[in-house]
Amino acid sequence: DSGVTQTPKHLITATGQRVTLRCSPRSGDLSVYWYQQSLDQGLQFLIQYYNGEERAKGNILERFSAQQFPDLHSELNLSSLELGDSALYFCASGGGNAYNEQFFGPGTRLTVL
Amino acid sequence: GENVEQHPSTLSVQEGDSAVIKCTYSDSASNYFPWYKQELGKRPQLIIDIRSNVGEKKDQRIAVTLNKTAKHFSLHITETQPEDSAVYFCAASRSGGGADGLTFGKGTHLIIQP
Repeated sequence: DSGVTQTPKHLITATGQRVTLRCSPRSGDLSVYWYQQSLDQGLQFLIQYYNGEERAKGNILERFSAQQFPDLHSELNLSSLELGDSALYFCASGGGNAYNEQFFGPGTRLTVL
Repeated sequence: GENVEQHPSTLSVQEGDSAVIKCTYSDSASNYFPWYKQELGKRPQLIIDIRSNVGEKKDQRIAVTLNKTAKHFSLHITETQPEDSAVYFCAASRSGGGADGLTFGKGTHLIIQP
């Protein structure tokens, strides 16, 4: 157990819908990272938040957004969902400074029908 | 941006033998190289990492080597055991891993034959 929690574990929804994925970092970690894992794209970095502020952006679609709240938990919002958005979404947490390791949560499996 | 290539995509070894997985990266500014192990349906689990100021690091049966000049790094697992069977991912970051996202390789499916 990494100490990072994610909810829900599974999510099934329809195309065009909007969903919210939630992540709570390890105690003491200020940074939250979101990753998408799919068979064709592999593990891709989406976005990073550090102490409430966006710090780095990866291959995140405009239909996706995230935020980090004062209690440091983070939410990833996915809207106008398409079949291709079906994937495992992982959240990782770390200290947020250089050379801090990233520890992954259990993931949310999103299925878009 | 950074690009990480990982080989082989599948590796089958006899129990007790060694396994080597290799990765190359493109961005000479990358300075942090972690390795993750992912079992089916589970989260990626950090097993070892190396910084750019170090050439080799060992942790029991696992070792990682880094060649900055050639921009490649490798994972070595000795005395493989059935529980080593999993998908292994290498990754690279130009900001020390903490201050930026990781760029991952496509993964190596390691199969330990009994």
